[in-house]
Amino acid sequence: GENVEQHPSTLSVQEGDSAVIKCTYSDSASNYFPWYKQELGKRPQLIIDIRSNVGEKKDQRIAVTLNKTAKHFSLHITETQPEDSAVYFCAAPFYRRGTASKLTFGTGTRLQVTL
Amino acid sequence: KAGVTQTPRYLIKTRGQQVTLSCSPISGHRSVSWYQQTPGQGLQFLFEYFSETQRNKGNFPGRFSGRQFSNSRSEMNVSTLELGDSALYLCASSLERAYNEQFFGPGTRLTVL
Repeated sequence: GENVEQHPSTLSVQEGDSAVIKCTYSDSASNYFPWYKQELGKRPQLIIDIRSNVGEKKDQRIAVTLNKTAKHFSLHITETQPEDSAVYFCAAPFYRRGTASKLTFGTGTRLQVTL
Repeated sequence: KAGVTQTPRYLIKTRGQQVTLSCSPISGHRSVSWYQQTPGQGLQFLFEYFSETQRNKGNFPGRFSGRQFSNSRSEMNVSTLELGDSALYLCASSLERAYNEQFFGPGTRLTVL
């Protein structure tokens, strides 16, 4: 299959708290897992990605963890700030006949950081 | 490097009409993917082009079609527009594969009346 499930669909946290968004994928051949951030009225932009040869990757306040056995990966944002408010999308490549030719996106998580 | 550009940015059409949207990828990028974005549905994959060939297609009716030119610019066409086609249409370019980093354009907002 080519499903990517993403939870939760909405998330509200107070400034300074942590936020966690989780995704599961179905294609065991998937080996690349990007996360995109889309601010209101703007285009999605890549914020972090991870490949299957590592279990965790960090970039300042954001980190992504990957569990290939369970086929799930998560985005962690620490010390959240109002500018983190946006919709976040996870994605995974879908393989057909041994070739990855498209990214399948999750349905998105609307993160609201309140003061 | 200039980013991905899309034209037009906004379109208003009526049911039954057809529409053509254009996408210019980042220079050197050969893969162009198209997505439909509607509230609550996330990013739905339409198709991907590479070297003027459609490599993959999503689950959309045949009214949705596309093509890519030798300079990697891509167009998508929607014929016999329906109200449900109202959406933001995003294109994204990447170097060679859809699983390389994808750079999105600003989108074309299509409204069907």
